[in-house]
Amino acid sequence: DGGITQSPKYLFRKEGQNVTLSCEQNLNHDAMYWYRQDPGQGLRLIYYSQIVNDFQKGDIAEGYSVSREKKESFPLTVTSAQKNPTAFYLCASSKTGVSYNEQFFGPGTRLTVL
Amino acid sequence: QKEVEQDPGPLSVPEGAIVSLNCTYSNSAFQYFMWYRQYSRKGPELLMYTYSSGNKEDGRFTAQVDKSSKYISLFIRDSQPSDSATYLCAMKEDDMRFGAGTRLTVKP
Repeated sequence: DGGITQSPKYLFRKEGQNVTLSCEQNLNHDAMYWYRQDPGQGLRLIYYSQIVNDFQKGDIAEGYSVSREKKESFPLTVTSAQKNPTAFYLCASSKTGVSYNEQFFGPGTRLTVL
Repeated sequence: QKEVEQDPGPLSVPEGAIVSLNCTYSNSAFQYFMWYRQYSRKGPELLMYTYSSGNKEDGRFTAQVDKSSKYISLFIRDSQPSDSATYLCAMKEDDMRFGAGTRLTVKP
């Protein structure tokens, strides 16, 4: 089955720690995205990548970092600089080069700072 | 003012009711309009998308876009308990913008 997987499903972090969230897709999509979802605020874009070894900041990139070494993988690191990291994190992927690109979402990772 | 406004609800209706979900937006450049459904603790899944203005129907679901009013709607006919979820509107020109989501509960 083609799709997007995210791990872990739940993650707990102590203050001052960096944590990395995994996102893998086997849809052969070029573009991948990371969103943060908070109650009442919808999805906000953290980072996105249109091609391997290239990525751009989204609306709320501060305190986060990403890498795109492989087409299938787009891990997100939540650093200690992110002051309010408790949220639901969603990874998505889409095709590129067409006028409308449906984004397919993974099941999400819920991060809680203790 | 947010670029996309959506009433978060919650909205509770009896089974069989017609549900109307709405979003307004401020950016007239948006060309693609989407509705995503998100079940609790899951990722969103695309329900419907529309290009520019007009209506689109898929089974019990109808999406409407009124670009002159900057207003989009999703109608659910004969609502079922399995429709209980959060519904997110989304819009796109270059970047995708999401509404806050409306939580819907359909009671048997």
